[in-house]
Amino acid sequence: GQQVMQIPQYQHVQEGEDFTTYCNSSTTLSNIQWYKQRPGGHPVFLIQLVKSGEVKKQKRLTFQFGEAKKNSSLHITATQTTDVGTYFCAGRYGNKLVFGAGTILRVKS
Amino acid sequence: EAEVAQSPRYKITEKSQAVAFWCDPISGHATLYWYRQILGQGPELLVQFQDESVVDDSQLPKDRFSAERLKGVDSTLKIQPAELGDSAMYLCASSLERGGQETQYFGPGTRLLVL
Repeated sequence: GQQVMQIPQYQHVQEGEDFTTYCNSSTTLSNIQWYKQRPGGHPVFLIQLVKSGEVKKQKRLTFQFGEAKKNSSLHITATQTTDVGTYFCAGRYGNKLVFGAGTILRVKS
Repeated sequence: EAEVAQSPRYKITEKSQAVAFWCDPISGHATLYWYRQILGQGPELLVQFQDESVVDDSQLPKDRFSAERLKGVDSTLKIQPAELGDSAMYLCASSLERGGQETQYFGPGTRLLVL
């Protein structure tokens, strides 16, 4: 079935270091969304990428969608303690959104 | 800012009992989703409604789970009987557009513990 693989599962960084999480699908996606879930919270929408090769930025966050629309990445520059949480990608196959397992980010101050 | 409402926030039950969760989506949102999130995993879609109709319930364990959205507004998810493996967070989400192409807004979830 449709599946989105996300790596790494967990990353612990020093405040100020960069962070990247990657998502991969075996089949072409209609689009991909990214969500952030704080500890004890619920997923909150960050962004949606639709076009092949698309790159979007939100302050220190950079999102990329691969040329083949099968992979995506989220890069955070100079992490802060407020960045802690789990970052999920969610790939769209037709009308169905399939979530990756998430990457847990911990930031040491 | 409008939010998705869910209740209860927490539920503890014994196995073989029945439990029910309620969701009120953002006003005007046509599409409503129920997800199950096991600790350490991403949300898994259980059922998707468009207005009052089910458009996808392929992952819903229909022998014990049921969901309805009778008037196309709020929705109820029921488990009967509950099993130990049902312990998880149950998330409701809604989106404005039909066809499920839009951003999904999640509620705070109901955390279920089955003893």
